[in-house]
Amino acid sequence: DIQMTQSPSSLSASVGARVTITCRASQDIINYLAWYQQKPGKVPNLLIYAASTLQSGVPSRFSGSGSGTDFTLTISSLQPEDVATYYCQKYNKAPRTFGQGTKVEIK
Amino acid sequence: EVQLVESGGGLVQPGGSLRLSCEASGFTFSTYAMSWVRQAPGKGLEWVSDINGSGDSPFYADSVRGRFTFSRDNSKNTLYLQMNSLRADDTAVYYCAKALRHNYGEYDYWGQGTLVTVSS
Repeated sequence: DIQMTQSPSSLSASVGARVTITCRASQDIINYLAWYQQKPGKVPNLLIYAASTLQSGVPSRFSGSGSGTDFTLTISSLQPEDVATYYCQKYNKAPRTFGQGTKVEIK
Repeated sequence: EVQLVESGGGLVQPGGSLRLSCEASGFTFSTYAMSWVRQAPGKGLEWVSDINGSGDSPFYADSVRGRFTFSRDNSKNTLYLQMNSLRADDTAVYYCAKALRHNYGEYDYWGQGTLVTVSS
């Protein structure tokens, strides 16, 4: 099975900072990758699909890139409401594995 | 408005069984793949299973294959997750989720989750 590895596992950054989270697949998944945001006590929220397509209603400071095995989620200007855990998920075929998550906090 | 409402969670002893339900509304239910995702307390998301719109050939995570059965009743807009031989490591909040684009894939709507606790 394909493994999904996120890094870092946590980060702390200042408001307004550019934040980058990476997700690496153990095999080529083309662009079958999604990113989710889960705020404390809430259900996950889809941010990005097909590696770089912004889901409707998601602020434009979020962006995704990559293909094959290496993917990136970028928050261009971190806001207090972005405090959350972020997960990648590959979905080309089962098992549709999630990464282990990256916890983002404000410094 | 899309709504997914899970039910059926609770406390069960190791080796026991439980059936979760997820009632859907606000979209053409039979045309979308659906999934179950779980989250153990304080842990990350774990994909459990998914099923296509017609209910054929569900897929399962290795951790639940042979113990869990995912089915759907399109006449009732309802999903079911039959969980047998439950173990302590099945303890989690179980979410049902709707595929964004009909086929298996990313999830644009999630239920609020139902907590399953496996303990003696």
